[in-house]
Amino acid sequence: DTGVSQDPRHKITKRGQNVTFRCDPISEHNRLYWYRQTLGQGPEFLTYFQNEAQLEKSRLLSDRFSAERPKGSFSTLEIQRTEQGDSAMYLCASSSTRDISYNSPLHFGNGTRLTVT
Amino acid sequence: AQSVTQLGSHVSVSEGALVLLRCNYSSSVPPYLFWYVQYPNQGLQLLLKYTSAATLVKGINGFEAEFKKSETSFHLTKPSAHMSDAAEYFCAVSGRGNTPLVFGKGTRLSVIA
Repeated sequence: DTGVSQDPRHKITKRGQNVTFRCDPISEHNRLYWYRQTLGQGPEFLTYFQNEAQLEKSRLLSDRFSAERPKGSFSTLEIQRTEQGDSAMYLCASSSTRDISYNSPLHFGNGTRLTVT
Repeated sequence: AQSVTQLGSHVSVSEGALVLLRCNYSSSVPPYLFWYVQYPNQGLQLLLKYTSAATLVKGINGFEAEFKKSETSFHLTKPSAHMSDAAEYFCAVSGRGNTPLVFGKGTRLSVIA
């Protein structure tokens, strides 16, 4: 168990640019989640996958945001035409529905901190 | 729909004193409840979880929480605070079936020497 890995840890970009983040979940975890956390707030759910299928998207996920998990392993989150309001920590988490306790807890990565100037 | 409310955005205690972080939940189905801790510039780490077994749940680092249905509460406690407990603490709720967690706004715990 190497934990959830996110890359990059920090990203500074200019308004209007596109950015892409990567998340590698714990191997054998079939669920993968994206959350966004702004300063002084709790994580807010964006979207999640079970294997390669995207099962739910939050209303927070505007048309400029897109997430993929093409082979059911790693995932990418892309933000197009970034805005200053997109500045936040983007957290990835994974879990397994095969966990015998059924409601398996989420295991979080250390996040990608995005700053849009 | 589910939600949690954490009472107090900042709690300060002396080293060795009791830690009490409050969380109230709202859920239309029997909830699963969690407490997570976050250290600066890191992700969230699970402290403990309630999944309808024992109402008193013990977690890591000496923390525990008690599920009280009548009060819709899931407060986090630790008998004696340590300097290393200083961090942000988040309460979270989900329904059955591994539905996405809904987090509270967090409580920052400061421990004074």
